Amino acid sequence: NAGVTQTPKFQVLKTGQSMTLQCAQDMNHNSMYWYRQDPGMGLRLIYYSASEGTTDKGEVPNGYNVSRLNKREFSLRLESAAPSQTSVYFCASSRPLDAIYFGEGSWLTVV
Amino acid sequence: DQQVKQNSPSLSVQEGRISILNCDYTNSMFDYFLWYKKYPAEGPTFLISISSIKDKNEDGRFTVFLNKSAKHLSLHIVPSQPGDSAVYFCAATGSNYKLTFGKGTLLTVNP
Repeated sequence: NAGVTQTPKFQVLKTGQSMTLQCAQDMNHNSMYWYRQDPGMGLRLIYYSASEGTTDKGEVPNGYNVSRLNKREFSLRLESAAPSQTSVYFCASSRPLDAIYFGEGSWLTVV
Repeated sequence: DQQVKQNSPSLSVQEGRISILNCDYTNSMFDYFLWYKKYPAEGPTFLISISSIKDKNEDGRFTVFLNKSAKHLSLHIVPSQPGDSAVYFCAATGSNYKLTFGKGTLLTVNP
C-alpha cells in the first residue's frame, strides 16, 4: 500500500541547474498538490491539480512548473534552481472534500 | 496575510495530562478544518477533521472543537502520550479545496 510516492528523497543542485521532482499516487485520487516546507513557515502550496488535465498556481508558484502527466502522476520542475528554493518538498493527493494525504518528502539543497 | 494562525510555536505537557493546541483563522469562507501531525523527516499525516456544520468531532484520544463565531478551533489530546510528541499543523479550506496551513506547534510530551 504505497499511497503517495515521491522521488528523489534527497538532491543537491548547483544554482542554475534544472531538475524534476516526480510524484505518483495509487489511491485513484483526482486532486494532487505540491507543497514546500521551510522553517517557521509551515506548508505552502506551490501548485495543485484539481483533476487530470488541469493545473493551478498556489501561494508560491514562482520558479516552478508542473505537469499532470495522468491521473496518477504529478511532477514539479525547477528550470533554473536558486538557493531560495532550498526546502523540503511534499507531494499530496486527495479525493474531493476529503483529507489530503502526503508523501514522505524530498529534501532539496541548492548551493 | 496569514489566514491560519497557530500562535504557540511550542507546547510541553506531562504524560497523561491533556494537550490543547489552538488555531485561529481569518477567512470566513473556510468551511472545513483539519489537523495534521508531523514527525521529523516524514510527511504530515492526517489526524482529524471537522466541518463547519459541527462544533465537535472525536476520534479516540483526539477531539477537535470549532467555534465559528470566534473563528477558532482547538485540538485536545487526552491522555497525552510520549509518542504524541510531534509538530501539529492546523489547516483550513473552502470550496476550492486548497488547504491553507498554519505554521505549526511543536508538542513535547514528557514521560
